[in-house]
Amino acid sequence: KAGVTQTPRYLIKTRGQQVTLSCSPISGHRSVSWYQQTPGQGLQFLFEYFSETQRNKGNFPGRFSGRQFSNSRSEMNVSTLELGDSALYLCASRPEGLGEQYFGPGTRLTVT
Amino acid sequence: AQSVAQPEDQVNVAEGNPLTVKCTYSVSGNPYLFWYVQYPNRGLQFLLKYITGDNLVKGSYGFEAEFNKSQTSFHLKKPSALVSDSALYFCAVRDRANSGGYQKVTFGTGTKLQVIP
Repeated sequence: KAGVTQTPRYLIKTRGQQVTLSCSPISGHRSVSWYQQTPGQGLQFLFEYFSETQRNKGNFPGRFSGRQFSNSRSEMNVSTLELGDSALYLCASRPEGLGEQYFGPGTRLTVT
Repeated sequence: AQSVAQPEDQVNVAEGNPLTVKCTYSVSGNPYLFWYVQYPNRGLQFLLKYITGDNLVKGSYGFEAEFNKSQTSFHLKKPSALVSDSALYFCAVRDRANSGGYQKVTFGTGTKLQVIP
């Protein structure tokens, strides 16, 4: 099976702009989670989607949003970008149940 | 609220020596525990997990971890370290209290393992 894919891999944006990141989970996985990774804060949970429904959300402002499509692909959107949003954004999928997560390579977002 | 602590930001070990990366956790119920590894500019890769059963769990690349309920720990170990093991290691926990799987996963802050040739 193909792994989790994320596009784009690298992105440079300017403060105030918005950005959309995409994630395609492993075939058959209906759960998709998003994480923000920064050197100072580590790995921070953003949200989890299952069958097009958001069922968990981390402590991030409303500028961060996401959605999941019927084919389980997911997108996350960040509006009004701030310098502090510069980070590696990781997507992970997992099968039903309580198993391990499978991570994509991440999208490196730089806000200037 | 669940939490994970990795008390060491960095662990240095000589190649061929045994290594231990520490992890302690806090959950309201019984835990599901995971270890992941991250190489530079890559996503996280699953190493091993504890769900139930034997307290000693074996995983990928010769790694193993010991679940200790009384000490609420899940330390990662390897008998003989390789230079290629140098990476960032994350411990993670999910609370078993909600068997529907709706509980989010909480990750530790990560431990950088440096294996010295």
